Amino acid sequence: GAGVSQSPRYKVAKRGQDVALRCDPISGHVSLFWYQQALGQGPEFLTYFQNEAQLDKSGLPSDRFFAERPEGSVSTLKIQRTQQEDSAVYLCASSVPPGGIPYEQYFGPGTRLTVT
Amino acid sequence: KQEVTQIPAALSVPEGENLVLNCSFTDSAIYNLQWFRQDPGKGLTSLLLIQSSQREQTSGRLNASLDKSSGRSTLYIAASQPGDSATYLCAVRSAGGTSYGKLTFGQGTILTVHP
Repeated sequence: GAGVSQSPRYKVAKRGQDVALRCDPISGHVSLFWYQQALGQGPEFLTYFQNEAQLDKSGLPSDRFFAERPEGSVSTLKIQRTQQEDSAVYLCASSVPPGGIPYEQYFGPGTRLTVT
Repeated sequence: KQEVTQIPAALSVPEGENLVLNCSFTDSAIYNLQWFRQDPGKGLTSLLLIQSSQREQTSGRLNASLDKSSGRSTLYIAASQPGDSATYLCAVRSAGGTSYGKLTFGQGTILTVHP
């Protein structure tokens, strides 16, 4: 079946622009995670959704970052007034059960954001 | 706060060698540990997942072990091939609290296998 998909795969934004990154999880997956991966680093957690509820946003680096999953499937990560330090790969992952059950997370290919 | 460290940061070996990648974590209260592979410009491919109650998992030429009490895991790759060249990431799923299943990653080991 289809895996996790993300779009766009690449995004170049000028400093100060707003961007929106999309994640399509595997159908039926309840849990959805966003991670940020800076160059040469491992991914770092940003936020977690269980269905449409955002239960953990402790990793969002500033109030310029906003995520939503209004119908419990597709999710959008929005970054307002982008800064150069926002340049990174943004990864989305989904898993079947709600958080608290140690099942495997499946990752999408990521969106590489470059802020110039 | 959980911290994950991977050693070495980079490794270059000739084809055919057996090799070991190391991962350590500071908080032993984990649900599971996962090893991923990441190719340049690509997402993460899960290689092996070890539940906290398990000691090791095997898949083909890969074997991962877990010593939860000492906070260590190793990924053993047998008979390495050039196609194994990639970044290998270790990630742990911490137990308890409100972690909601988020993974804490190490910085990765960049592996190059040359013919």
